[in-house]
Amino acid sequence: DQQVKQNSPSLSVQEGRISILNCDYTNSMFDYFLWYKKYPAEGPTFLISISSIKDKNEDGRFTVFLNKSAKHLSLHIVPSQPGDSAVYFCASSEDFGNEKLTFGTGTRLTIIP
Amino acid sequence: NAGVTQTPKFRVLKTGQSMTLLCAQDMNHEYMYWYRQDPGMGLRLIHYSVGEGTTAKGEVPDGYNVSRLKKQNFLLGLESAAPSQTSVYFCASSSPGLRIEQYFGPGTRLTVT
Repeated sequence: DQQVKQNSPSLSVQEGRISILNCDYTNSMFDYFLWYKKYPAEGPTFLISISSIKDKNEDGRFTVFLNKSAKHLSLHIVPSQPGDSAVYFCASSEDFGNEKLTFGTGTRLTIIP
Repeated sequence: NAGVTQTPKFRVLKTGQSMTLLCAQDMNHEYMYWYRQDPGMGLRLIHYSVGEGTTAKGEVPDGYNVSRLKKQNFLLGLESAAPSQTSVYFCASSSPGLRIEQYFGPGTRLTVT
């Protein structure tokens, strides 16, 4: 049973436009949510996180939105740049001290120059 | 500061052979993890450790063993490799209580024939 779902395996966006990546979860115990970015042949790198007490967190071009009632989060990248082409994973944790993250299956983002 | 390193980067095994993957981190993190990544499956937790001398099972532990004899090292062993263990293996570490994100190594690509 997939507790964290990324229903779009791939997404293509024109350079300079907004990229929106989506993630849904089923476990109502999840309290922290993270986005990771992964380039080929490298390990995932942390991008941005959000706690369930917030509905938005911003870091430069990256903004994560959380809708707890819908159990949905999204990552917005504005403006999109060619270097943003990568696989993006969302991940969830039940609390800040919890040692386990549950990952989604990933979305491959391609930025078209 | 190398972060998280993994040895080896690539390996090909025959069915039934054994091997050990080594993970090392120099960030003084308490927690360490082993994941596998398969196409369309995201990252799945194999085993993890919350401190030196302690280990615990994750989501997909069967066929693997781990040891954490030193705080900075986390070893993943395959006693009798099977083709189903062909995957990319990632090690990660974290320091819960300070920051929630995990830091990943570059991965080991293992093929079992």
